[in-house]
Amino acid sequence: EAQVTQNPRYLITVTGKKLTVTCSQNMNHEYMSWYRQDPGLGLRQIYYSMNVEVTDKGDVPEGYKVSRKEKRNFPLILESPSPNQTSLYFCASRVGPGNNEQFFGPGTRLTVL
Amino acid sequence: GQSLEQPSEVTAVEGAIVQINCTYQTSGFYGLSWYQQHDGGAPTFLSYNGLDGLEETGRFSSFLSRSDSYGYLLLQELQMKDSASYFCAVRDGPGGGNKLTFGTGTQLKVEL
Repeated sequence: EAQVTQNPRYLITVTGKKLTVTCSQNMNHEYMSWYRQDPGLGLRQIYYSMNVEVTDKGDVPEGYKVSRKEKRNFPLILESPSPNQTSLYFCASRVGPGNNEQFFGPGTRLTVL
Repeated sequence: GQSLEQPSEVTAVEGAIVQINCTYQTSGFYGLSWYQQHDGGAPTFLSYNGLDGLEETGRFSSFLSRSDSYGYLLLQELQMKDSASYFCAVRDGPGGGNKLTFGTGTQLKVEL
């Protein structure tokens, strides 16, 4: 089944404890993105990637890192999480240029205490 | 800065037609997309407009006017399952890019 998977789906952690949220797609898509969703603010793009080793900042990159070493994986790294990073996170992928249909993962609900 | 304006809530009755508007102010514009998100779920893609005019996909249509920086999503023959949040999103990176800015969403409630 064609899909985007994220792990974990739920995470409660404490301030300053490094964490990684994994994202994987099995559709051979070139483009991948990370978003956070907060009430009243909609979806905001954190980072995006247009191919292996090609990443760029979205609108809210502060406090996050990403890497794209393989086409299928795009992990989101929080080196020192803070309570203001408590949010619902979505990973997404799409084929690439010329195709605008974006497929979203199921989401990761992160709470930073 | 980038901004997309949508109504926060719209209510309509089953079987009716509803239009959700989106106006945008972005530094670049390379197309307008629409996504649907049910409570507790992930967003799903509905439509994309790169050029002015109307795109139709079943009960849903989307319209774009680049000169007015405006688009809308039209939902016809509303069903209860259409109750969800709807987001417009502008691709504001260079052609073929992956930079996207979303609106804050419109919650649609469909009543009997």
